[in-house]
Amino acid sequence: AQSVTQLGSHVSVSEGALVLLRCNYSSSVPPYLFWYVQYPNQGLQLLLKYTTGATLVKGINGFEAEFKKSETSFHLTKPSAHMSDAAEYFCASPGQNFVFGPGTRLSVLP
Amino acid sequence: EAGVAQSPRYKIIEKRQSVAFWCNPISGHATLYWYQQILGQGPKLLIQFQNNGVVDDSQLPKDRFSAERLKGVDSTLKIQPAKLEDSAVYLCASSLLYPEHLKTDTQYFGPGTRLTVL
Repeated sequence: AQSVTQLGSHVSVSEGALVLLRCNYSSSVPPYLFWYVQYPNQGLQLLLKYTTGATLVKGINGFEAEFKKSETSFHLTKPSAHMSDAAEYFCASPGQNFVFGPGTRLSVLP
Repeated sequence: EAGVAQSPRYKIIEKRQSVAFWCNPISGHATLYWYQQILGQGPKLLIQFQNNGVVDDSQLPKDRFSAERLKGVDSTLKIQPAKLEDSAVYLCASSLLYPEHLKTDTQYFGPGTRLTVL
């Protein structure tokens, strides 16, 4: 069965530092992978998605993710964190039904 | 373009009471989803509609939860009777395309309804 795991329920970075949020997937077929962001008291918003083609995917707000089949990973990165990036981030993948990871809460320290 | 609308935003009820949530998807979106998000967890899909037909309700607790999407537009999700463990945020989402494209389609989420069962 399709599943996604996110290492680290809470990540803290300083403003201006690199953001790295980890996502690994399990699948017997080539996956489609998504990153969604949830700001406090709001619904989820798509950051980026990998379907086919280029394995480095660029999204909104300066985020990008790289699909690595050999590592079954789709980690999310941003070169320089901003205070406004503080939110909950979810990795997700469709299988039998759409599955979300448990989420990683990103805190950005001044 | 208006987003996905949900109401109410907050609801507090006592266990064994009934509650209903309403969702209005983005105009023209064929697919509608209801998710349950328990505090500290990722959203879990409860039910998925294609127009007014159910595509997947395998994770819907059918003994107490029901949902409908009349005329393929608005949808309501009902819980009757509610249990303490139903306390969660209920998210509605919609997407444009049909099932064969669902695996790559973007879902647009509403702000959710936060349910507290006492």
